[in-house]
Amino acid sequence: DIQMTQSPSTLSASVGDRVTITCRASQSIGTWLAWYQQIPGKAPKLLIYKASNLESGVPSRFSGSGSGTEFTLTISSLQPDDFATYYCQQYNNYSPTWTFGQGTKVEIK
Amino acid sequence: QVQLVESGGGLVKPGGSLRLSCAASGFTFSDFYMSWIRQAPGKGLEWVSYISTTGQTIYYADSVKGRFTISRDNAKDSLFLQMNSLRAEDTAMYYCARGLIRDHFDYWGQGTLVTVSS
Repeated sequence: DIQMTQSPSTLSASVGDRVTITCRASQSIGTWLAWYQQIPGKAPKLLIYKASNLESGVPSRFSGSGSGTEFTLTISSLQPDDFATYYCQQYNNYSPTWTFGQGTKVEIK
Repeated sequence: QVQLVESGGGLVKPGGSLRLSCAASGFTFSDFYMSWIRQAPGKGLEWVSYISTTGQTIYYADSVKGRFTISRDNAKDSLFLQMNSLRAEDTAMYYCARGLIRDHFDYWGQGTLVTVSS
């Protein structure tokens, strides 16, 4: 099974900061990587799919990059609504499964 | 607007059964792949099961294989998850989620809570 590891697990930042979250896959997944934001008590919301494609309606301060085994989610200028937990998710086309990273909580500094 | 509304959760004893439902509206249900994804209290997300648009292709996570059954009724815009032989570790919020492309989930319901406890 493909494992997904996010770092850091927790991140303290201030409004206006540039924030980067990393997700590593245990084997190459091409660009089958999505990012989600989850606010406490709410359902996850899709931000990025296919590693770098911004979902419709998602602010442009969010961006994704990477391929193979290493991926990043960047928030260019952190806003108050962005304090949340972020998950990466991979899709394995060969043995169809969907696996999430353990999450990165972005906290107010 | 797109809506996915889960129901059927509750408290059940170990070894018991529950049937979850997900009612879809605001989009053409039969065009979308559907999945169930769960989240144990205070934990991360775990994909549970997937069903194709026609229901002909189904996948399960190893943790639920042989105990859970996913199904859909495109005529009624509904998704289901029959959960048997429930264990304490199945306690979680269960979300239904859709995907136009198989690799990601572009909209999620608000979830239904399943608690397995004696």
